Amino acid sequence: DADVTQTPRNRITKTGKRIMLECSQTKGHDRMYWYRQDPGLGLRLIYYSFDVKDINKGEISDGYSVSRQAQAKFSLSLESAIPNQTALYFCATSSGGADTQYFGPGTRLTVL
Amino acid sequence: GNSVTQMEGPVTLSEEAFLTINCTYTATGYPSLFWYVQYPGEGLQLLLKATKADDKGSNKGFEATYRKETTSFHLEKGSVQVSDSAVYFCALGSSASKIIFGSGTRLSIRP
Repeated sequence: DADVTQTPRNRITKTGKRIMLECSQTKGHDRMYWYRQDPGLGLRLIYYSFDVKDINKGEISDGYSVSRQAQAKFSLSLESAIPNQTALYFCATSSGGADTQYFGPGTRLTVL
Repeated sequence: GNSVTQMEGPVTLSEEAFLTINCTYTATGYPSLFWYVQYPGEGLQLLLKATKADDKGSNKGFEATYRKETTSFHLEKGSVQVSDSAVYFCALGSSASKIIFGSGTRLSIRP
């Protein structure tokens, strides 16, 4: 089984809808991250969490919120989706420091 | 602030050709440096890393050396295969346990 899983893998929704993307990990890592990938822009950090009680904004947090329900679960929400949030979203985990991050398979989100 | 600049793609090579993908960085202190690879339809996975100056990271025939004097971490492979076709990301570990990624270089290998 994969160490970092994301659901759903693909989602098409309409402008104004609320969307939740979920991430679960079995690596036992404290640190979890949400990234957005757009063509030609690499990955940009949306939010990150060092433990259940520690949530931090990344470089592009506007329009997004997160919830760390447990050490193993970190969800990303779009309260009112808009078309320019169409992108590939990745969850990642790490054990700490500037250490290797382990990525999920991604969620492709399309907002019409 | 910290940043990573990598060679723009796409890069197209024939099988068994020599590969170089350039990466330079701007950072304070001594960050760890990484190369990640993204195969079609998958998430990123670590290819190699180096944690201090003059370290060489290597994996699957790929190599990169942490060059502090030129602030570079170029990725090389002596003989590429079709299965190496992917997007490659250079990255550096910044403060607060964050990683800063370059924009990615798409590599296509022709049989």
